[in-house]
Amino acid sequence: NAGVTQTPKFQVLKTGQSMTLQCAQDMNHEYMSWYRQDPGMGLRLIHYSVGAGITDQGEVPNGYNVSRSTTEDFPLRLLSAAPSQTSVYFCASSYLDRVPYEQYFGPGTRLTVT
Amino acid sequence: TQLLEQSPQFLSIQEGENLTVYCNSSSVFSSLQWYRQEPGEGPVLLVTVVTGGEVKKLKRLTFQFGDARKDSSLHITAAQPGDTGLYLCAGWRGSARQLTFGSGTQLTVLP
Repeated sequence: NAGVTQTPKFQVLKTGQSMTLQCAQDMNHEYMSWYRQDPGMGLRLIHYSVGAGITDQGEVPNGYNVSRSTTEDFPLRLLSAAPSQTSVYFCASSYLDRVPYEQYFGPGTRLTVT
Repeated sequence: TQLLEQSPQFLSIQEGENLTVYCNSSSVFSSLQWYRQEPGEGPVLLVTVVTGGEVKKLKRLTFQFGDARKDSSLHITAAQPGDTGLYLCAGWRGSARQLTFGSGTQLTVLP
């Protein structure tokens, strides 16, 4: 099993550019989510999905879109990048409603917007 | 607004010392998780506590969930340099299907 994979690992964008961060999992997890991590702020939830075709907003959704067409994939789209979106982005997946509710995280994407 | 307040934010101690990290909230959580994160990697789960008052031990680490399921603590006995890392608490709100993270505690254990 590859677990949770994310691409790219590093990305530099100019303000106004758009891009998609890819996330895939091979564990047949129902639940997938995107977080951003900024210094001193832990991880903040951007969007999440409880299954294919179902997505919902987290704590900081503005400027980001997601879709879940398959169980395996959960891409995150930045529509028009801004310097405030400079951060490290983590994708995670887990079974839904199953103790210990463990989230499996990908290795992260470090994004810089200039 | 940070739902989970984690303290201290930074902790630097000598090998062999004990330490406690606190995670507090005014909200009730279905369960409380503790993760550890190494530089350049994603967080990895250490433990999940589900029942109010629950205590779990993982070698030299002791985790406790408050009786009201609003707070938790992580106690490390006789810390070692290998314990160095970022420790994150996270509360699962089952009804909202969301995991909320604390701001993290950066622990450095000096040899």
